[in-house]
Amino acid sequence: NAGVMQNPRHLVRRRGQEARLRCSPMKGHSHVYWYRQLPEEGLKFMVYLQKENIIDESGMPKERFSAEFPKEGPSILRIQQVVRGDSAAYFCASSSGRGIYEQYFGPGTRLTVT
Amino acid sequence: AQSVAQPEDQVNVAEGNPLTVKCTYSVSGNPYLFWYVQYPNRGLQFLLKYITGDNLVKGSYGFEAEFNKSQTSFHLKKPSALVSDSALYFCAVRDANSGGGADGLTFGKGTHLIIQP
Repeated sequence: NAGVMQNPRHLVRRRGQEARLRCSPMKGHSHVYWYRQLPEEGLKFMVYLQKENIIDESGMPKERFSAEFPKEGPSILRIQQVVRGDSAAYFCASSSGRGIYEQYFGPGTRLTVT
Repeated sequence: AQSVAQPEDQVNVAEGNPLTVKCTYSVSGNPYLFWYVQYPNRGLQFLLKYITGDNLVKGSYGFEAEFNKSQTSFHLKKPSALVSDSALYFCAVRDANSGGGADGLTFGKGTHLIIQP
């Protein structure tokens, strides 16, 4: 059973470009979460999605960041007009349900903005 | 708001000795508590969780954790450490009563566990 897949693993963007991060949840999981990890920091929650719906985006920056989880295909985290402060590791997690269910994490995408 | 504190940036333990990684939490309702481990350049791996019931929960790789409601703690333990246990450990919490779609976990900053041969 394949785990959570994320691609690309490493992404380099110049300031002002767009970054698209993809996440395929574990088979049978319909709940997806995105987190950001800055150096020497814990993970910070960004957004929680179910198929075609954003359930909780309380951790998302108000501008430039968006997320989607379409009916078909992976979840996408999109960062427009990237800045150096966006450089971080972005992790996707999935679960089979809400609340008590543990989240399983992908290997992350390391975004570097030059 | 919920929060997690891991008071030690680093814990050093000799191989074969017992280990403890500390975690305290704050939530307004009842907590759901989780421990994860992260190896270099890898994602987080789930170790164990406390939802309800027995205060001592057992997880993967011989790890266990004890929920203490009065001390709002959820310390990770292992009776005999292995060199391969060396990694970064994260404690996380979710408020069971948050409702409204607030399902994101709140993580501590992590504790580096170093097991010396």
